[in-house]
Amino acid sequence: DSGVTQTPKHLITATGQRVTLRCSPRSGDLSVYWYQQSLDQGLQFLIQYYNGEERAKGNILERFSAQQFPDLHSELNLSSLELGDSALYFCASSVGPGQPQHFGDGTRLSIL
Amino acid sequence: ELKVEQNPLFLSMQEGKNYTIYCNYSTTSDRLYWYRQDPGKSLESLFVLLSNGAVKQEGRLMASLDTKARLSTLHITAAVHDLSATYFCAGGNAGNMLTFGGGTRLMVKP
Repeated sequence: DSGVTQTPKHLITATGQRVTLRCSPRSGDLSVYWYQQSLDQGLQFLIQYYNGEERAKGNILERFSAQQFPDLHSELNLSSLELGDSALYFCASSVGPGQPQHFGDGTRLSIL
Repeated sequence: ELKVEQNPLFLSMQEGKNYTIYCNYSTTSDRLYWYRQDPGKSLESLFVLLSNGAVKQEGRLMASLDTKARLSTLHITAAVHDLSATYFCAGGNAGNMLTFGGGTRLMVKP
């Protein structure tokens, strides 16, 4: 158990819908990262937050947004969903930049 | 932009054999990580390599880093079935966003 909690574990929805994925980092970790894993794109970095502020952005679509709250949990919002958004979304946390990242179990998103 | 390439992408080996997974990266990376992923599961951190010549070992796995060659290797010694998984290397930069390789799917046959 990495200590990183992601909910829900599975999400099935339809095209055009909006979903929110939630992540609680390990106790004491200030950095939260979001990654997308799909068969065609592999594992891709989406976005990083550190102590509530956005730190780095990767290949994140404009339809996607994220935030980190004062209690350090983070949410990833995906809107206007398309079939290609079906993937496993991982959250990871670390004490700070440069420290090992610990991954949650992921949220499997299926778009029908 | 950092790019990370692993090879082979798929590896089938017999128990008891040795093999090496290679990870090449395109530009300077502050550190190199190895992760293991079982099917449908999360990523488990195996090693973090911070400097040129770094070598770390855990059980039958040994990872090394050559920053001059921009190459990291994951060596498997006397493979056992329990090592069957997908192994990823990832480069990290100052912001610590990870750039992952495509993964090496390892199958160890009895």
